[in-house]
Amino acid sequence: QSALTQPASVSGSPGQSITISCTGTSSDVGAYSDVSWYQHHPGKAPKLMIYDVSNRPSGVSNRFSGSKSGNTASLTISGLQAEDEADYYCSSYTSLSTWVFGGGTKLTVL
Amino acid sequence: QVQLQESGPGLVKPSQTLSLTCTVSGGSISSGGYYWSWIRQPAGKGLEWIGRVYPSGSTNFNPSLKSRVTFSVDTPKNRFSLQLSSVTAADTALYYCARSSNSLDAFDVWGQGTMVTVSS
Repeated sequence: QSALTQPASVSGSPGQSITISCTGTSSDVGAYSDVSWYQHHPGKAPKLMIYDVSNRPSGVSNRFSGSKSGNTASLTISGLQAEDEADYYCSSYTSLSTWVFGGGTKLTVL
Repeated sequence: QVQLQESGPGLVKPSQTLSLTCTVSGGSISSGGYYWSWIRQPAGKGLEWIGRVYPSGSTNFNPSLKSRVTFSVDTPKNRFSLQLSSVTAADTALYYCARSSNSLDAFDVWGQGTMVTVSS
Protein backbone atom coordinates (compact mmCIF):
# COMPACT_ATOMS: atom_id res chain seq x y z
CA GLN A 1 0.00 0.00 0.00
CA SER A 2 1.29 3.46 -0.85
CA ALA A 3 1.28 6.41 1.51
CA LEU A 4 -1.36 9.06 0.96
CA THR A 5 -0.05 12.20 -0.73
CA GLN A 6 0.17 15.42 1.25
CA PRO A 7 2.03 18.67 0.49
CA ALA A 8 5.33 18.76 2.36
CA SER A 9 4.64 22.19 3.77
CA VAL A 10 2.07 24.95 4.00
CA SER A 11 2.21 28.31 5.70
CA GLY A 12 -0.09 31.11 6.71
CA SER A 13 -0.23 34.22 8.84
CA PRO A 14 -2.12 34.44 12.13
CA GLY A 15 -5.82 34.81 11.53
CA GLN A 16 -5.69 33.40 8.01
CA SER A 17 -7.05 30.05 6.84
CA ILE A 18 -5.10 27.22 5.29
CA THR A 19 -6.07 23.93 3.71
CA ILE A 20 -4.04 20.73 3.62
CA SER A 21 -4.91 18.15 0.99
CA CYS A 22 -4.59 14.40 1.27
CA THR A 23 -4.84 12.38 -1.93
CA GLY A 24 -5.34 8.65 -2.01
CA THR A 25 -7.03 6.17 -4.30
CA SER A 26 -10.37 4.50 -4.84
CA SER A 27 -9.16 1.76 -2.48
CA ASP A 28 -8.72 4.03 0.51
CA VAL A 29 -9.77 7.69 0.73
CA GLY A 30 -12.23 7.33 -2.13
CA ALA A 31 -13.83 4.21 -0.74
CA TYR A 32 -14.30 4.93 2.95
CA SER A 33 -15.47 7.64 5.31
CA ASP A 34 -12.76 6.49 7.75
CA VAL A 35 -10.46 9.42 7.07
CA SER A 36 -8.82 11.10 10.04
CA TRP A 37 -6.36 13.90 10.72
CA TYR A 38 -3.68 14.17 13.38
CA GLN A 39 -1.70 17.09 14.78
CA HIS A 40 1.83 16.22 15.82
CA HIS A 41 4.12 18.47 17.79
CA PRO A 42 7.63 16.93 17.82
CA GLY A 43 8.33 15.13 21.05
CA LYS A 44 4.64 14.70 21.84
CA ALA A 45 2.07 12.08 21.00
CA PRO A 46 0.01 12.73 17.87
CA LYS A 47 -3.43 14.19 18.61
CA LEU A 48 -6.62 13.23 16.79
CA MET A 49 -8.18 16.37 15.29
CA ILE A 50 -10.74 15.02 12.79
CA TYR A 51 -12.32 11.58 12.34
CA ASP A 52 -14.82 10.15 9.87
CA VAL A 53 -13.83 12.86 7.35
CA SER A 54 -15.39 15.80 9.16
CA ASN A 55 -16.10 15.04 12.82
CA ARG A 56 -14.25 16.71 15.65
CA PRO A 57 -13.51 14.90 18.91
CA SER A 58 -14.61 16.61 22.06
CA GLY A 59 -12.21 19.38 23.00
CA VAL A 60 -10.91 20.11 19.49
CA SER A 61 -11.42 23.68 18.36
CA ASN A 62 -14.09 24.32 15.73
CA ARG A 63 -11.40 26.18 13.78
CA PHE A 64 -10.48 22.73 12.48
CA SER A 65 -12.70 21.22 9.81
CA GLY A 66 -12.47 18.35 7.35
CA SER A 67 -14.01 17.41 4.04
CA LYS A 68 -13.64 14.93 1.21
CA SER A 69 -14.24 14.88 -2.52
CA GLY A 70 -13.51 11.75 -4.48
CA ASN A 71 -10.06 10.46 -3.62
CA THR A 72 -8.95 13.65 -1.89
CA ALA A 73 -9.59 14.67 1.69
CA SER A 74 -8.85 18.10 3.10
CA LEU A 75 -8.17 19.68 6.47
CA THR A 76 -8.91 23.37 6.87
CA ILE A 77 -7.69 25.43 9.78
CA SER A 78 -9.28 28.84 10.10
CA GLY A 79 -8.15 31.74 12.26
CA LEU A 80 -4.58 30.42 12.37
CA GLN A 81 -2.86 30.67 15.73
CA ALA A 82 0.77 30.26 16.67
CA GLU A 83 0.03 27.03 18.53
CA ASP A 84 -1.31 25.47 15.33
CA GLU A 85 2.25 25.24 14.04
CA ALA A 86 2.90 21.49 13.87
CA ASP A 87 3.05 18.52 11.52
CA TYR A 88 -0.31 17.24 10.27
CA TYR A 89 -1.01 13.73 9.04
CA CYS A 90 -4.03 12.26 7.34
CA SER A 91 -4.98 8.61 7.57
CA SER A 92 -7.46 6.33 5.85
CA TYR A 93 -8.81 2.82 6.20
CA THR A 94 -8.15 0.70 3.12
CA SER A 95 -9.75 -2.14 1.19
CA LEU A 96 -7.06 -4.47 2.60
CA SER A 97 -8.42 -3.91 6.13
CA THR A 98 -5.33 -1.87 6.92
CA TRP A 99 -4.61 1.77 7.66
CA VAL A 100 -2.42 4.10 5.65
CA PHE A 101 -1.02 7.50 6.58
CA GLY A 102 -0.01 10.48 4.52
CA GLY A 103 3.58 11.64 4.39
CA GLY A 104 2.82 14.59 6.64
CA THR A 105 2.58 18.35 6.14
CA LYS A 106 4.57 20.87 8.12
CA LEU A 107 2.44 23.89 8.94
CA THR A 108 4.34 27.11 9.59
CA VAL A 109 2.54 30.07 11.12
CA LEU A 110 4.36 33.13 9.83
CA GLN B 1 -8.87 8.39 31.04
CA VAL B 2 -7.04 5.68 29.12
CA GLN B 3 -3.29 6.12 28.79
CA LEU B 4 -0.73 4.09 26.86
CA GLN B 5 2.97 3.66 27.63
CA GLU B 6 5.50 1.97 25.39
CA SER B 7 8.53 0.18 26.79
CA GLY B 8 11.40 -1.89 25.47
CA PRO B 9 15.08 -1.83 24.48
CA GLY B 10 16.25 1.32 22.78
CA LEU B 11 18.98 -0.48 20.86
CA VAL B 12 18.67 -3.67 18.83
CA LYS B 13 21.33 -5.35 16.73
CA PRO B 14 20.77 -6.00 13.03
CA SER B 15 19.11 -9.35 12.23
CA GLN B 16 17.76 -9.63 15.78
CA THR B 17 14.15 -9.27 16.96
CA LEU B 18 12.76 -5.98 18.20
CA SER B 19 10.34 -6.43 21.11
CA LEU B 20 8.14 -3.67 22.51
CA THR B 21 5.31 -3.62 25.03
CA CYS B 22 2.46 -1.15 25.41
CA THR B 23 0.88 -0.98 28.86
CA VAL B 24 -2.70 0.27 29.09
CA SER B 25 -3.82 2.19 32.17
CA GLY B 26 -7.12 3.78 33.07
CA GLY B 27 -9.14 1.11 31.27
CA SER B 28 -9.22 -2.56 30.39
CA ILE B 29 -7.53 -3.78 27.24
CA SER B 30 -10.25 -6.41 26.92
CA SER B 31 -13.20 -4.00 27.05
CA GLY B 32 -15.14 -4.53 23.88
CA GLY B 33 -14.75 -2.70 20.64
CA TYR B 34 -11.16 -1.52 20.85
CA TYR B 35 -8.25 -2.36 18.56
CA TRP B 36 -4.65 -1.86 19.61
CA SER B 37 -2.17 -0.72 16.99
CA TRP B 38 1.53 -0.14 16.52
CA ILE B 39 2.66 2.81 14.42
CA ARG B 40 6.20 3.99 13.73
CA GLN B 41 7.97 7.08 12.46
CA PRO B 42 11.50 6.94 11.07
CA ALA B 43 13.50 10.10 11.64
CA GLY B 44 12.47 12.82 9.23
CA LYS B 45 9.71 10.70 7.72
CA GLY B 46 5.99 10.20 8.09
CA LEU B 47 3.92 7.80 10.14
CA GLU B 48 3.69 4.15 9.11
CA TRP B 49 0.98 1.83 10.45
CA ILE B 50 2.50 -1.52 11.41
CA GLY B 51 -0.64 -3.40 12.35
CA ARG B 52 -3.29 -3.98 15.00
CA VAL B 53 -4.50 -6.65 17.37
CA TYR B 54 -7.89 -7.27 18.95
CA PRO B 55 -7.98 -8.81 22.43
CA SER B 56 -9.49 -11.97 20.95
CA GLY B 57 -6.27 -12.40 18.97
CA SER B 58 -7.54 -11.21 15.61
CA THR B 59 -4.87 -9.24 13.74
CA ASN B 60 -4.28 -7.08 10.68
CA PHE B 61 -0.87 -6.17 9.29
CA ASN B 62 0.78 -3.69 6.96
CA PRO B 63 1.49 -5.93 3.94
CA SER B 64 5.06 -4.64 3.73
CA LEU B 65 5.85 -5.85 7.25
CA LYS B 66 3.50 -8.79 7.66
CA SER B 67 6.13 -11.50 7.27
CA ARG B 68 8.21 -10.10 10.15
CA VAL B 69 5.55 -8.96 12.65
CA THR B 70 3.98 -10.79 15.56
CA PHE B 71 1.50 -9.38 18.07
CA SER B 72 0.47 -10.68 21.45
CA VAL B 73 -1.99 -9.60 24.13
CA ASP B 74 -1.49 -10.14 27.87
CA THR B 75 -4.95 -9.49 29.30
CA PRO B 76 -4.11 -10.05 33.00
CA LYS B 77 -1.29 -7.50 32.76
CA ASN B 78 -3.36 -5.19 30.54
CA ARG B 79 -0.73 -4.88 27.87
CA PHE B 80 0.02 -5.85 24.29
CA SER B 81 3.28 -6.42 22.50
CA LEU B 82 5.03 -6.15 19.16
CA GLN B 83 7.79 -8.36 17.86
CA LEU B 84 9.57 -7.40 14.63
CA SER B 85 12.07 -9.95 13.40
CA SER B 86 15.18 -9.68 11.22
CA VAL B 87 15.54 -5.96 11.82
CA THR B 88 17.76 -3.68 9.75
CA ALA B 89 18.72 -0.03 9.99
CA ALA B 90 15.53 0.77 8.08
CA ASP B 91 13.57 -0.29 11.17
CA THR B 92 15.15 2.49 13.24
CA ALA B 93 12.22 4.65 14.26
CA LEU B 94 10.06 6.15 16.98
CA TYR B 95 7.48 3.49 17.78
CA TYR B 96 4.00 4.39 19.04
CA CYS B 97 1.15 2.29 20.32
CA ALA B 98 -2.36 3.59 19.76
CA ARG B 99 -6.04 2.72 20.25
CA SER B 100 -8.86 2.70 17.75
CA SER B 101 -12.40 1.37 17.86
CA ASN B 102 -15.26 0.17 15.73
CA SER B 103 -17.29 3.22 16.66
CA LEU B 104 -14.50 5.72 16.09
CA ASP B 105 -12.42 4.53 13.16
CA ALA B 106 -9.40 6.61 14.09
CA PHE B 107 -6.55 6.54 16.58
CA ASP B 108 -7.90 8.45 19.56
CA VAL B 109 -5.34 7.54 22.22
CA TRP B 110 -1.58 7.38 21.65
CA GLY B 111 1.45 6.57 23.74
CA GLN B 112 4.34 9.01 23.96
CA GLY B 113 6.47 6.82 21.74
CA THR B 114 9.72 4.98 22.28
CA MET B 115 12.82 5.33 20.13
CA VAL B 116 14.40 2.16 18.79
CA THR B 117 17.76 2.22 17.02
CA VAL B 118 19.00 -0.73 15.02
CA SER B 119 22.78 -0.76 15.10
CA SER B 120 25.63 -3.10 15.85
